[in-house]
Amino acid sequence: DAGITQSPRHKVTETGTPVTLRCHQTENHRYMYWYRQDPGHGLRLIHYSYGVKDTDKGEVSDGYSVSRSKTEDFLLTLESATSSQTSVYFCAISETRRGGYNEQFFGPGTRLTVL
Amino acid sequence: AQSVSQHNHHVILSEAASLELGCNYSYGGTVNLFWYVQYPGQHLQLLLKYFSGDPLVKGIKGFEAEFIKSKFSFNLRKPSVQWSDTAEYFCAVNASEGNTPLVFGKGTRLSVIA
Repeated sequence: DAGITQSPRHKVTETGTPVTLRCHQTENHRYMYWYRQDPGHGLRLIHYSYGVKDTDKGEVSDGYSVSRSKTEDFLLTLESATSSQTSVYFCAISETRRGGYNEQFFGPGTRLTVL
Repeated sequence: AQSVSQHNHHVILSEAASLELGCNYSYGGTVNLFWYVQYPGQHLQLLLKYFSGDPLVKGIKGFEAEFIKSKFSFNLRKPSVQWSDTAEYFCAVNASEGNTPLVFGKGTRLSVIA
């Protein structure tokens, strides 16, 4: 398995509180991604990063912000958590291989419940 | 914009039955195609991938998929399923150039019964 850890693995919080999820990698991959997984929706991209301090929005970025101050860490912040953000959050990493292709490796996920 | 359609939401099969899960994508350029599996309570694991070359791709655990460019399809197959194949299966696509994020289908839940 790729060296990806996510913390915390489980979190219960209350509506209106800020929450930060951390993704840490030991693979020195340039690209990192945050997805959320919800029943009936598959995985949807929240934000991604293509280098330190370089990030971009995904399909469902409203209510989320990210930061990447060093290669190995990609933080996802819910500025003011809402019940609709109850989900399982997955981090992924990738790197461009010879020939231009890539594949993404996924972390173990964080289950977040917003009450 | 890219999109991925998985036709079956939930498939129930008996052990030893053959499996085919449909996946169609929408994208105007050259793509990479993936199938991921998620066993209950676990994270996503790569089953197989297609980047170029032979359109019939073999993956782990006896799975294979065939890329049919004219049909924009990448169906997953296994000749004989086992109870341990019970999981959720996701088809995903991204542009073949660069490290663009994956676009996932909504997933197909496979239940294999004895």
